Amino acid sequence: GAVVSQHPSRVICKSGTSVKIECRSLDFQATTMFWYRQFPKQSLMLMATSNEGSKATYEQGVEKDKFLINHASLTLSTLTVTSAHPEDSSFYICSASLGDHSSPLHFGNGTRLTVT
Amino acid sequence: AQSVAQPEDQVNVAEGNPLTVKCTYSVSGNPYLFWYVQYPNRGLQFLLKYITGDNLVKGSYGFEAEFNKSQTSFHLKKPSALVSDSALYFCAVRDYYSSASKIIFGSGTRLSIRP
Repeated sequence: GAVVSQHPSRVICKSGTSVKIECRSLDFQATTMFWYRQFPKQSLMLMATSNEGSKATYEQGVEKDKFLINHASLTLSTLTVTSAHPEDSSFYICSASLGDHSSPLHFGNGTRLTVT
Repeated sequence: AQSVAQPEDQVNVAEGNPLTVKCTYSVSGNPYLFWYVQYPNRGLQFLLKYITGDNLVKGSYGFEAEFNKSQTSFHLKKPSALVSDSALYFCAVRDYYSSASKIIFGSGTRLSIRP
């Protein structure tokens, strides 16, 4: 159980275009999902906390107008990278928790974004 | 503020030998501690966690970790390494008492098991 599906796994787009990444909890409801960014050979950087039915909470330094997060249902959160630039190229990973603070996070398989 | 440190970027072990991946943490209250493994171009997979109780926690794939409160450590261990254990390992911590606390990840340790 506790499967998180992330789509697409890989995307290449041109500078200036927008890209949407979907994160779905397949067999559980997730009131909260988390979006991370991972640079090569580096740890995960929390970008934002996505809350179902309300606005996302962004970490300091993350541009909320550039990284749009929508959590329209208990099983779906989306991250849209708007007006993408080559420096946005990265590995983006979503995760969700089953319950309280003692519950581990369950991760999607990530999305490799390349902006040309 | 909470933090977690993985002092080793890389750990190299021969197959069949025991392995240890180190992790130390800092939280203001009591910690929830986690270990995750990441294979290339994949998300993280949960290995094990410490919440309370027995200091030795057993998890997936034969891994275990020992919580040491006095040393604020939560080292990952396995008695006999396999080549398939080669991956990137992350330690993570969350503050038990803070409802607003987030899970903070260490910088990761790349484990390489040679045949």
